[in-house]
Amino acid sequence: DIHMTQSPSSLSASVGDRVTITCRASQSIASYFNWYQQKPGKAPELLIYAASSLQSGVPSRFSGTESGTDFTLTISSLQPEDFATYYCQQSYSSPFTFGQGTKLEI
Amino acid sequence: QVQLQQSGPGLVKPSQTLSLTCAISGDSVSSNYAAWNWIRQSPSRGLEWLGRTYYRSKWYKDYAVSVKSRISINPDTSKNQFSLQLNSVTPEDTAVYYCARRNDYEAFDIWGQGTMVTVSS
Repeated sequence: DIHMTQSPSSLSASVGDRVTITCRASQSIASYFNWYQQKPGKAPELLIYAASSLQSGVPSRFSGTESGTDFTLTISSLQPEDFATYYCQQSYSSPFTFGQGTKLEI
Repeated sequence: QVQLQQSGPGLVKPSQTLSLTCAISGDSVSSNYAAWNWIRQSPSRGLEWLGRTYYRSKWYKDYAVSVKSRISINPDTSKNQFSLQLNSVTPEDTAVYYCARRNDYEAFDIWGQGTMVTVSS
């Protein structure tokens, strides 16, 4: 199985901050990589697919980049509604594995 | 607008079978580009993909090794839905279960509302 290592596991920030979350795949996955946001009691929502493509309806303050097996989610200016847990996920091969999550707190 | 609506019991006894259904609206379970998945989430295991079914001229199914001996995911074309059956459950199977669509750009873009399933006598 492909293991996804996400860091940090938690992050404290303020409204207006720029934050970065990283995820490393245990092997090459090309751009078969996605980011999700999850709020308490809700299902995850797709933010970014194919490493850097913004899902329809997602604000442009969210962006994704890749460098080899390292992937980064950046939120350029935190808004109150962005405080949530973020997950990475590889779609390169089954089983489709997720990172352990990053809880973004105020 | 595609939506997934989950149904099924929230409490299952140990050794029995967990059964959930995911009804699809706005898309087809027989779609030639989508795959229909079950994913669960628990504090101990995080988000765990369990398996999928999809149609590409014929039906395919693919399961996680961790549950492969106990799981079955089946499409129902007459009702445009798909189901999860997990046999011989233990308290370790307690989790929130989600159905989700994997689209043609290989991401889970549509999710069901989630079902909290507790395995307890």
